[in-house]
Amino acid sequence: QKEVEQDPGPLSVPEGAIVSLNCTYSNSAFQYFMWYRQYSRKGPELLMYTYSSGNKEDGRFTAQVDKSSKYISLFIRDSQPSDSATYLCAMCLRKTSYDKVIFGPGTSLSVIP
Amino acid sequence: GAVVSQHPSWVICKSGTSVKIECRSLDFQATTMFWYRQFPKQSLMLMATSNEGSKATYEQGVEKDKFLINHASLTLSTLTVTSAHPEDSSFYICSQNGLGGNEQFFGPGTRLTVL
Repeated sequence: QKEVEQDPGPLSVPEGAIVSLNCTYSNSAFQYFMWYRQYSRKGPELLMYTYSSGNKEDGRFTAQVDKSSKYISLFIRDSQPSDSATYLCAMCLRKTSYDKVIFGPGTSLSVIP
Repeated sequence: GAVVSQHPSWVICKSGTSVKIECRSLDFQATTMFWYRQFPKQSLMLMATSNEGSKATYEQGVEKDKFLINHASLTLSTLTVTSAHPEDSSFYICSQNGLGGNEQFFGPGTRLTVL
């Protein structure tokens, strides 16, 4: 079983739709959870960062963490064509001297005008 | 968040040559920087953790003699791919922690093509 699982998609939605992106993980030692957006041939851009179970909202984005189920989600409201990208979930494991981040494989999203 | 730059953004080289990629922290000092590799349509895989003033920590399966990492200052880490082969063609991305300590902020990446 991989440490982090994520449906690769591709996911195609009409403009204005609510998008739900999900990841599951197996290691209960993960302490921090992040969502990144990556456009083609660019470095990942941090969208959301959470460390506790519950919801965190930032504009059109809501990150949800359920540590008991080892499940995290990213919701995008009022999706726009500019949201078309690959979305990567990431989990942080604290090592003795640094934090190791494990990424999911990414979900490719297309928002159709 | 942290601002990270990489140079070059794209490099093409012949098989057998060595290629150096630079990663710079532009807005604050970074004692630790991270190097990732990403193959097409795949996720980022951590190659090594670069520590200023000491040896890098490599992930399992990454050849330290092939991927030389130098972190000589608090704002610069370099990755040298030695004796590059076509299978080394990939997208190499560096990152550093933000001031909060846990989030990672990424550079724009370097696309390496080995002919």
